Amino acid sequence: DIVMTQSPDSLAVSLGERATINCKSSQSVLYSSNNKNSLAWYQQRPGQPPKLLIYWASTRESGVPDRFSGSGSGTDFTLTINSLQAEDVAVYFCQQHYTTPQTFGQGTKVEIE
Amino acid sequence: EVQLVQSGAEVKKPGESLKISCQGSGYSFTTIWIGWVRQMPGKGLEWMGVIYPGDSDTKYSPSFQGQVTISADKSISTAYLQWSSLRVSDTAMYYCARGRARTAPFDYWGQGTLVTVSS
Repeated sequence: DIVMTQSPDSLAVSLGERATINCKSSQSVLYSSNNKNSLAWYQQRPGQPPKLLIYWASTRESGVPDRFSGSGSGTDFTLTINSLQAEDVAVYFCQQHYTTPQTFGQGTKVEIE
Repeated sequence: EVQLVQSGAEVKKPGESLKISCQGSGYSFTTIWIGWVRQMPGKGLEWMGVIYPGDSDTKYSPSFQGQVTISADKSISTAYLQWSSLRVSDTAMYYCARGRARTAPFDYWGQGTLVTVSS
């Protein structure tokens, strides 16, 4: 299985500031057929199911605010939340959708400082 | 509107069997993969497996192979996750979710079914 490792496990950011979450895969998730990285990001607010934010490492899902952005390639990826809002308090997970079993990172908890 | 509606919370004893459901609506149920994800209390997300309701092609995570059975009834747009003999360690929230391909991310999720196994 591909192991996904996120850092940090938690972070506290002031309202309006930037939050950065990193995700590293144990092997490349570059899909050769379309030259895109099979990496997704999800947001899980307390008591809610996860919500897809980004896929193919940098493609924002429909309806997701543009303060959320994804970047990276190969084995190293980043989720950036610009101008953090109160509603962004959540746990964020990365996921490789390159092969089965799909695997998730352990999660990063984002709180307001 | 795409919706995945899961069955309600369950409380079971160790050794009992259980089948939980996930009904899809608002899209072509037979052409989209349905997956199951486990979230143990206070923990992260674990991909259990997926099924293609059109032909019941199923792929399990090795961690869950033989421990659960994933099935689907396309006539009623419903996917299932079942156990033949529950363990206390099966206590968790279980989510169904849909993906456009076997290796696609999950774009819509059910509300979750809490399964509690306790003697």
